[in-house]
Amino acid sequence: AQSVAQPEDQVNVAEGNPLTVKCTYSVSGNPYLFWYVQYPNRGLQFLLKYITGDNLVKGSYGFEAEFNKSQTSFHLKKPSALVSDSALYFCAVRGYGNKLVFGAGTILRVKS
Amino acid sequence: GAVVSQHPSWVICKSGTSVKIECRSLDFQATTMFWYRQFPKQSLMLMATSNEGSKATYEQGVEKDKFLINHASLTLSTLTVTSAHPEDSSFYICSASGGMNTEAFFGQGTRLTVV
Repeated sequence: AQSVAQPEDQVNVAEGNPLTVKCTYSVSGNPYLFWYVQYPNRGLQFLLKYITGDNLVKGSYGFEAEFNKSQTSFHLKKPSALVSDSALYFCAVRGYGNKLVFGAGTILRVKS
Repeated sequence: GAVVSQHPSWVICKSGTSVKIECRSLDFQATTMFWYRQFPKQSLMLMATSNEGSKATYEQGVEKDKFLINHASLTLSTLTVTSAHPEDSSFYICSASGGMNTEAFFGQGTRLTVV
């Protein structure tokens, strides 16, 4: 069965510093991986996806993620964090029947 | 990206009444729609998958008679919480997908409070 792990409940970073939000996955077959962001009392916004192709995927708002098959990881990164990036981030993998299997989520706090 | 509109964004209802939540894909045809429930500071819990014109598939532990899902067209799915109780209070989110290799787009969510 597909599963996703986000090992950090919360990540704190200073504004302007690079940020990384970690995600590892477990799938049978080729993984379809996604990152979403959620602001308080809102739905999820799509950031980026990996289906196939380049291991470095660029997405919205300056975010990118690196697919690493050997480490079964799909970490979310941004070179320079903004206070407005503070939110809840979810990694997800596509499972059976086109369902998304979500990680537990990681709270990102960017302090000025 | 594609737009999924969910309505209402919040609702307060009395215990024992029913509440309907709508999820519309505004600029694409959604072959599949998903309904999630999210508890505070937790991840999304998939409740059910609905495909246009067929019965919804419910996840284990989700009462299909309590959470009625209708997917009458390629752009509209509804979730009705029947005979709501305070323990049904939660944040409900829908998502829509146009196909296997496309990302899912999410509605804004509905905050349901049952008093």
